[in-house]
Amino acid sequence: DAKTTQPTSMDCAEGRAANLPCNHSTISGNEYVYWYRQIHSQGPQYIIHGLKNNETNEMASLIITEDRKSSTLILPHATLRDTAVYYCIVRATTSGTYKYIFGTGTRLKVLA
Amino acid sequence: NAGVTQTPKFQVLKTGQSMTLQCAQDMNHEYMSWYRQDPGMGLRLIHYSVGAGITDQGEVPNGYNVSRSTTEDFPLRLLSAAPSQTSVYFCASSYSDRGLNYGYTFGSGTRLTVV
Repeated sequence: DAKTTQPTSMDCAEGRAANLPCNHSTISGNEYVYWYRQIHSQGPQYIIHGLKNNETNEMASLIITEDRKSSTLILPHATLRDTAVYYCIVRATTSGTYKYIFGTGTRLKVLA
Repeated sequence: NAGVTQTPKFQVLKTGQSMTLQCAQDMNHEYMSWYRQDPGMGLRLIHYSVGAGITDQGEVPNGYNVSRSTTEDFPLRLLSAAPSQTSVYFCASSYSDRGLNYGYTFGSGTRLTVV
């Protein structure tokens, strides 16, 4: 299973773009990159996912490098409510089944 | 409201007791999983299921049993509670469509303390 590496913590000024990096150098060709966030002690919330093309939705943008060894989640205008732990996950598949393995994530703090 | 429902929200057990954490989803999702999250840590996968009647082990399955008799329900059973199982437990569900796996929807968690 491809593993991911993320910085432990980051700060971002309110209203600025938050760029959260993730390394997944052992990713396989058919594995997707998923991003989740967890606000305080709530259940994680799905943000976005992609295979190789850049993706955008109402919450964020996902930029995946051409070699797919790394990706960046972009929150274009961070607010205080975006303070959370952000998890980058690579979908693992085994014999047609699949499971998510969460890493330790990046603790993003948005500063007023 | 559609989503993943976990019960109970809070539970205190004595060492050696057994109990079942309930998880139900009404979205007809085929995939369901159980995670535990210890204080200040990330989520660790306990067990998961890809459909009714099919379950498999995750990273930390010891001390837990699961079953999936229906699409909607995925209960997690603690066989003999130990203080090391004090944690927050999250249940999640997801689905796939034409080969694309969609994101997981998580429940609000069960906070378990074993004394």
